[in-house]
Amino acid sequence: EAQVTQNPRYLITVTGKKLTVTCSQNMNHEYMSWYRQDPGLGLRQIYYSMNVEVTDKGDVPEGYKVSRKEKRNFPLILESPSPNQTSLYFCASSFWGTGYYEQYFGPGTRLTVT
Amino acid sequence: EDKVVQSPLSLVVHEGDTVTLNCSYEVTNFRSLLWYKQEKKAPTFLFMLTSSGIEKKSGRLSSILDKKELFSILNITATQTGDSAVYLCAVVSISNFGNEKLTFGTGTRLTIIP
Repeated sequence: EAQVTQNPRYLITVTGKKLTVTCSQNMNHEYMSWYRQDPGLGLRQIYYSMNVEVTDKGDVPEGYKVSRKEKRNFPLILESPSPNQTSLYFCASSFWGTGYYEQYFGPGTRLTVT
Repeated sequence: EDKVVQSPLSLVVHEGDTVTLNCSYEVTNFRSLLWYKQEKKAPTFLFMLTSSGIEKKSGRLSSILDKKELFSILNITATQTGDSAVYLCAVVSISNFGNEKLTFGTGTRLTIIP
């Protein structure tokens, strides 16, 4: 079954305590990305990766880091979380073919930074 | 800066009605436009549109793209309560580094009254 998994699903943490949200996909997709979703602002892309060791900034990369050492994994790292990073985070993996597209989102991680 | 605007923000209709959701965009290096449905969880991919004037159809949902006027519409006919959701539009563009970047609109919240 095609699947994108994220962990943890819920996290409450304090300002400044480093955290990592993991993302893994089992479809051998080259393209993976991270989004945050906030009321009234919709989904905004944080970082994306076209393939192993290839990453690029999305619209809101400040305060986040990513790495893509293996095709299946794309962790999101918050080195020093702040309250304005409280949000719902989604990881997604995608494949584009000629005239064909498939994309799967993970279930989301609700992060609260106090 | 890439921009995607959806309208209306919110729509309430009776079951059986037909609705039209709008998505306009301003992006550089457009590649394709995507529609999603989001209920109380992660977005689910509906359609990818790349060429103008070619309708994509899936059951009661259909969508079309106008690359000259820079907009797309999503039609839902004979609406059902299960169609209640937030519908998201996203545009794929090519970044300065040749990577594919997604920009989402804030969505249209559709509520179907039985």
